[in-house]
Amino acid sequence: GQQVMQIPQYQHVQEGEDFTTYCNSSTTLSNIQWYKQRPGGHPVFLIQLVKSGEVKKQKRLTFQFGEAKKNSSLHITATQTTDVGTYFCAGPRDSGYALNFGKGTSLLVTP
Amino acid sequence: DTAVSQTPKYLVTQMGNDKSIKCEQNLGHDTMYWYKQDSKKFLKIMFSYNNKELIINETVPNRFSPKSPDKAHLNLHINSLELGDSAVYFCASSLSPGGRLYFGPGTRLTVT
Repeated sequence: GQQVMQIPQYQHVQEGEDFTTYCNSSTTLSNIQWYKQRPGGHPVFLIQLVKSGEVKKQKRLTFQFGEAKKNSSLHITATQTTDVGTYFCAGPRDSGYALNFGKGTSLLVTP
Repeated sequence: DTAVSQTPKYLVTQMGNDKSIKCEQNLGHDTMYWYKQDSKKFLKIMFSYNNKELIINETVPNRFSPKSPDKAHLNLHINSLELGDSAVYFCASSLSPGGRLYFGPGTRLTVT
């Protein structure tokens, strides 16, 4: 079945450094979604990418969807302590009835 | 207004007990889910309901039984709790199956 792999599992950066997390699927995805979970909180939707090669920006966050629609990345420029949390990518299951989540990348930002 | 709410937020219980978690959404969504998040933060789908009909039933022990009395509610009953059931259980909803998810605050279940 469809699996979504995400790396790295953890990333520790100094405030102001950049951060990137990568997501790869074993199959072509119709779309990919990104979520952020703050410590002690619940996952919150960030964005959905649908088109091949799509790039979307939200302030310091840049999201990309690969040309083959099998990989995606989230890049944060000049991290801040408010970026701390776990970032998940998620793709539709084969049936399309739910999302399969990657294992997440936990980001720690040191002031 | 809370879009997706769950009760209780914390649940501490002993092995062998039976417990229930309730979930309600006021977004008018057709689809609701239960996800389990383990200690390594892995989010795994357990069940999905669309218009009160079960559409996903993952390889979950049959001690877990979901119930959807109406489109706005999805409850989870767990029988004969085991240590390995300790996790955070998230309810979520979406406008349609596979769509953007709105998560509840989670229920942290600890089985002792």
